[in-house]
Amino acid sequence: AQTVTQSQPEMSVQEAETVTLSCTYDTSESDYYLFWYKQPPSRQMILVIRQEAYKQQNATENRFSVNFQKAAKSFSLKISDSQLGDAAMYFCASIQGAQKLVFGQGTRLTINP
Amino acid sequence: DSGVTQTPKHLITATGQRVTLRCSPRSGDLSVYWYQQSLDQGLQFLIQYYNGEERAKGNILERFSAQQFPDLHSELNLSSLELGDSALYFCASSLVDRAEQYFGPGTRLTVT
Repeated sequence: AQTVTQSQPEMSVQEAETVTLSCTYDTSESDYYLFWYKQPPSRQMILVIRQEAYKQQNATENRFSVNFQKAAKSFSLKISDSQLGDAAMYFCASIQGAQKLVFGQGTRLTINP
Repeated sequence: DSGVTQTPKHLITATGQRVTLRCSPRSGDLSVYWYQQSLDQGLQFLIQYYNGEERAKGNILERFSAQQFPDLHSELNLSSLELGDSALYFCASSLVDRAEQYFGPGTRLTVT
C-alpha cells in the first residue's frame, strides 16, 4: 500500500523568512504524481503545487517550490518570503496507480509576525 | 473558489439517522471523489465516480453509499449514523485520472 509520511507535526517561521516542510513517500510505481495541499482555518483544501514523477525539474508556483528527490522518495515544500496568510495545515499527497489521493498526516505551519 | 460546490455546509443529526451529502463538480470535470477527514483518521479516500460509473473504492463503510447522476453531480448517503461518523466530508473533482483534484468546501457532519 502506498504511504505518505510527514514527520513534522508542527513548524513555525518568522514572517518574510523561508521554511521547508518535509514529506517522504513509499511507492513501487514508476509513474506517479505528488501534491501539496493547504488547509487554512476555513478548512478548505487548496491545491498548492503538483509534481509529476517523470519530470526531473522541480515544480514552482510563485513563492512555493518543491525539492523532489526521486531516489530518496522525498518531496519537500519550500515557502519563500512567508506571509501571515500562509498559516495553515499543509498536506503532502500522492496518486499512484489508482486514482485516489493518499495523504500524509499534515504539518501545522505557524507564521510569527 | 475551486468551482466545486457542496451542500449542506453543516449537518447535525442523531445516531441511527440517515443523511445525504451533495456535490457538484467543476464544470467539465468527469471524476468525483469523496473523502472523510476526522481527527483520528486524517484524510481518507472513500469512493470515486467517473462519468456516472463507480471507479475506485476506499475504506467506505457498508452503511455508506454514493452515486453520480447524469448531470455529474454526486451524492453520498450515510445511514445508521454513529458518533464516530462525525467528520468533515469533502468532495473533489478532476478532469481526468491523475490530474489535480479540486476540493469543495466540505460538509461538517455532527452526530449526537
